[in-house]
This record gives sequence, structure tokens and C-alpha cells, in this order.
Amino acid sequence: DSGVTQTPKHLITATGQRVTLRCSPRSGDLSVYWYQQSLDQGLQFLIQYYNGEERAKGNILERFSAQQFPDLHSELNLSSLELGDSALYFCASSSEVGTGELFFGEGSRLTVL
Amino acid sequence: AQSVTQPDIHITVSEGASLELRCNYSYGATPYLFWYVQSPGQGLQLLLKYFSGDTLVQGIKGFEAEFKRSQSSFNLRKPSVHWSDAAEYFCAVGARGEGGGNKLTFGTGTQLKVEL
Repeated sequence: DSGVTQTPKHLITATGQRVTLRCSPRSGDLSVYWYQQSLDQGLQFLIQYYNGEERAKGNILERFSAQQFPDLHSELNLSSLELGDSALYFCASSSEVGTGELFFGEGSRLTVL
Repeated sequence: AQSVTQPDIHITVSEGASLELRCNYSYGATPYLFWYVQSPGQGLQLLLKYFSGDTLVQGIKGFEAEFKRSQSSFNLRKPSVHWSDAAEYFCAVGARGEGGGNKLTFGTGTQLKVEL
């Protein structure tokens, strides 16, 4: 158990809809990262938050947004969903000090029909 | 920009045989390097990491990896593979970012199949 909790584990929705994925980081970790894993794109970094502020942005679509709340949990919002958004979305957290490894949750599998 | 190449998409080995998974990275400075394993339906679990010091690092489950700066490589090895090692393995390179933490760039993964 990594200590990172993601909900929901599975989500099925229709094109055009909006969903919210939730992540609780390990206790004490200030950084939260979101990754998308798909068969054709592999593991793609989406966005990082550190203590409530956006720190780094990767290949995140404009239809996607994220935030980190004062209690350090994070939410990834996906809107105007398309078939190609079907993927496994991982949240990871890390400490602000240390050797930089990320601790991953078990992921939220999104299926867009 | 950093990048990682895992040249082998699939590898099949017999149980008890030795294993080497290849990883080459591109990064301008001394990299932070990681190997993660992903079992079906699971998240990514850290096997081992390199950030400084001894270039041969030991990890969990009997895995080790060697950092070779001259070859920009960080290959993963195991002397004797067990059937439970069948999974997908990801190499990653990290760049220490602002505010701490570490954005990782992952390779495309190597799927390991173990024949009994």
C-alpha cells in the first residue's frame, strides 16, 4: 500500500460529459502529480501541484483542469470527454525533501463510451 | 528535455533464468533514475532508485540496476526470475523541480513474460 488513495477506481461515462477524479496523497507529502496511462501514449505527465499551487505542467489538455486543496487532496476535472480520453489516470505524491521518488495510487480507470 | 528509451517492448524468459531489462536516458545533468513495476490492474511500485553514490543499486524483490554514465544507461537485472515477476517494468528519469518533488519522465515500458 503506497498510502496514496484514488477514487473512483472505475468510471464509465459518455462522450461530452464531465468527471472528477480525486486523490489523497501520502500523509505529509505536499506534492501531487497526475499522470495519464493509455495504450498508445504510455505514461504521460499531466500536471504537478505543490502545497496548493501549480508547479509544473505537462501534456494536459485545455479540457482538463486540476487543483489541490488546503488539506492537500487533489482533484482532476475532465470535461467535454472524448473517446480518446479513455485511460488509466494515476495520482502520485512525493515529499518536498528526499530522493524524489513518486508514490503512486492504484489509478482511476476511465471509460468513455 | 529529459527522455527515456526502453528498447524492448516484450521480453520472455524462463523461470530461474537471469534477466536484464534495458534503459537509456537523456538528461543534461546527473539524473535521478528509477525503476517501477506495474502488475495488471495495479499502480506503479518502486523497485529501486539511483540519485548519487554507488552506481550499483539494490532494490526490492532481488532486483538490482547499474548506472553507467558513459553509456547513459540504467539497466535492471535479476539473477533468477520467478513466475511472480511477470509484469510491466518502467524506467524513469527525474529532474528536481521547484518546490521540491520530482517530475518523472517514463519510458514506454517492457512487458515481461515468465515461462514455467
